[in-house]
Amino acid sequence: AQSVTQLDSQVPVFEEAPVELRCNYSSSVSVYLFWYVQYPNQGLQLLLKYLSGSTLVESINGFEAEFNKSQTSFHLRKPSVHISDTAEYFCAVSERGFQKLVFGTGTRLLVSP
Amino acid sequence: GAVVSQHPSRVICKSGTSVKIECRSLDFQATTMFWYRQFPKQSLMLMATSNEGSKATYEQGVEKDKFLINHASLTLSTLTVTSAHPEDSSFYICSGIRTGGQALTSTDTQYFGPGTRLTVL
Repeated sequence: AQSVTQLDSQVPVFEEAPVELRCNYSSSVSVYLFWYVQYPNQGLQLLLKYLSGSTLVESINGFEAEFNKSQTSFHLRKPSVHISDTAEYFCAVSERGFQKLVFGTGTRLLVSP
Repeated sequence: GAVVSQHPSRVICKSGTSVKIECRSLDFQATTMFWYRQFPKQSLMLMATSNEGSKATYEQGVEKDKFLINHASLTLSTLTVTSAHPEDSSFYICSGIRTGGQALTSTDTQYFGPGTRLTVL
């Protein structure tokens, strides 16, 4: 079975500052890793995912995450955040070959001016 | 993009009544849909996997007779909470997978609905 830990329930940050949202996972088998974002009153949207290949994956809006197998981590980073990045971010894992997603508890990113 | 809607967005009901939640894929066909449940400050927990035209597969610990799932078409899945009790109060979220008629793979993206908040008095 897999599990995901997001230690930070809330991360406040000022606009244009860098941010890192932490995600650690536990699994005895190979996995796929995902970050989803949920804006107020909207459904979860896929931000980026790691399936294989390069351990650094990027999204179209400036976020990136790096798969670190030895540390079982998949932290999400952005060098300069915007007010519009305020949202709930969920890290998720699935076992390779299966669609079942296991989610972390989420991290609320609060960007202030 | 792929859009999934849920109806209603909020529902309040009395204990003992049944509530139906609809999940629709608006611009794609979803042969597979998932139903999740989220408690406050907790993660989304998968309840069941719904495949069009067949019986749903429930996760361990989820009562299939209490949470009835029907996936009658490629664009609609419904979750009925039967004889609801206050402990069933939660945020219910569905997702669908767009396969374009091709075989489902583990790398296909799930598209999520905005969720339905159920409050049972």
